[in-house]
Amino acid sequence: EPEVTQTPSHQVTQMGQEVILRCVPISNHLYFYWYRQILGQKVEFLVSFYNNEISEKSEIFDDQFSVERPDGSNFTLKIRSTKLEDSAMYFCASNLAGNLDGYTFGSGTRLTVV
Amino acid sequence: AQTVTQSQPEMSVQEAETVTLSCTYDTSESDYYLFWYKQPPSRQMILVIRQEAYKQQNATENRFSVNFQKAAKSFSLKISDSQLGDAAMYFCAYREAGTASKLTFGTGTRLQVTL
Repeated sequence: EPEVTQTPSHQVTQMGQEVILRCVPISNHLYFYWYRQILGQKVEFLVSFYNNEISEKSEIFDDQFSVERPDGSNFTLKIRSTKLEDSAMYFCASNLAGNLDGYTFGSGTRLTVV
Repeated sequence: AQTVTQSQPEMSVQEAETVTLSCTYDTSESDYYLFWYKQPPSRQMILVIRQEAYKQQNATENRFSVNFQKAAKSFSLKISDSQLGDAAMYFCAYREAGTASKLTFGTGTRLQVTL
């Protein structure tokens, strides 16, 4: 069964550093998403991406965040200057199209900011 | 804005028994989709079951079924013949009808399965 792949599985970074989280969505999917889950809390939407542009973003997705699909396969989330409160599990998800699918989620990247 | 509420932070069920997890949601939309996701200790999000709001028939996937009450905005998950592998966090989620619509999650219910 096709999978959404995320790398790395765990990243530790110092406060103020830039991080890039990487995702390879399912190859024929058209819609891409990033979600965040702070430990012990619910999963929160960050951003959706379609046709090489952001479709929607949440209040969490401020100027420190950016997304990119640089080569037609990878889908990246960049955090420019990490803060302690950015420590969370970050999930990438993709969706083919239409309304019938839940998404396929990746296994997540655990980001720890120290 | 849409909200999803799961009022049971934790539930426990004995192996082979049946358990029901509750979920309510608030929306002014008439067309939308509802989901239950399972998150085991590995923290991957696994789709358990989905329901289209326009369908009156409740969705069923093997041991998992839902009780969808559109007027009451209620979407509960029933797990029959519970197994040890069912132990996980379960999240209810809502999505508007729209091709790029985001999922809105509840706070989750942690399910314990005991022998």
